[in-house]
Amino acid sequence: QQQVKQSPQSLIVQKGGISIINCAYENTAFDYFPWYQQFPGKGPALLIAIRPDVSEKKEGRFTISFNKSAKQFSLHIMDSQPGDSATYFCATRGQRGSTLGRLYFGRGTQLTVWP
Amino acid sequence: DVKVTQSSRYLVKRTGEKVFLECVQDMDHENMFWYRQDPGLGLRLIYFSYDVKMKEKGDIPEGYSVSREKKERFSLILESASTNQTSMYLCASTPGQGGNQPQHFGDGTRLSIL
Repeated sequence: QQQVKQSPQSLIVQKGGISIINCAYENTAFDYFPWYQQFPGKGPALLIAIRPDVSEKKEGRFTISFNKSAKQFSLHIMDSQPGDSATYFCATRGQRGSTLGRLYFGRGTQLTVWP
Repeated sequence: DVKVTQSSRYLVKRTGEKVFLECVQDMDHENMFWYRQDPGLGLRLIYFSYDVKMKEKGDIPEGYSVSREKKERFSLILESASTNQTSMYLCASTPGQGGNQPQHFGDGTRLSIL
């Protein structure tokens, strides 16, 4: 049972454009929604994260939008650059019981930014 | 800076062998995790541990076991390797179960089973 559904699987954007990646989750017992960025040959690294009591969080060119009622959240990359080309994973974190602390990951989005 | 070190970047083993993947973190983190990463499937949790000698199954534990004898070290064991276990394996650690502490990942071990 996939807890987090991520789309699109791949995304090609021109330099300077906006990249948008979407995620939807099923379980309401999640309390933390991070995005991870992974470059080839490296492990994923935390990019930006949001808690459900906030609808938007911005860090530089990266913004998370969170819609609690729709159980959806998205990553927006403004002014996309070739250096942003990477795989992006959304995730949710379990809040209760045996799931406490573990992350559930989406399947990833391969972003390519054309120069 | 947190460092999670996986002992091998690339590993080639034969079907039926017992395979050990090692992970060490240097920040005294309580929680450690093993994932496998396959194209189009994302990161899938195999096992995790909240404390020494403690382990919990993730979503795909079949064919794997783990060992955590010391806080800083978390080992993944393939009891009898099979070709469908060819994959990228990622280890991660985090200091606590709550808060906003991120999971810190190693750079992975690419394992090929022939």
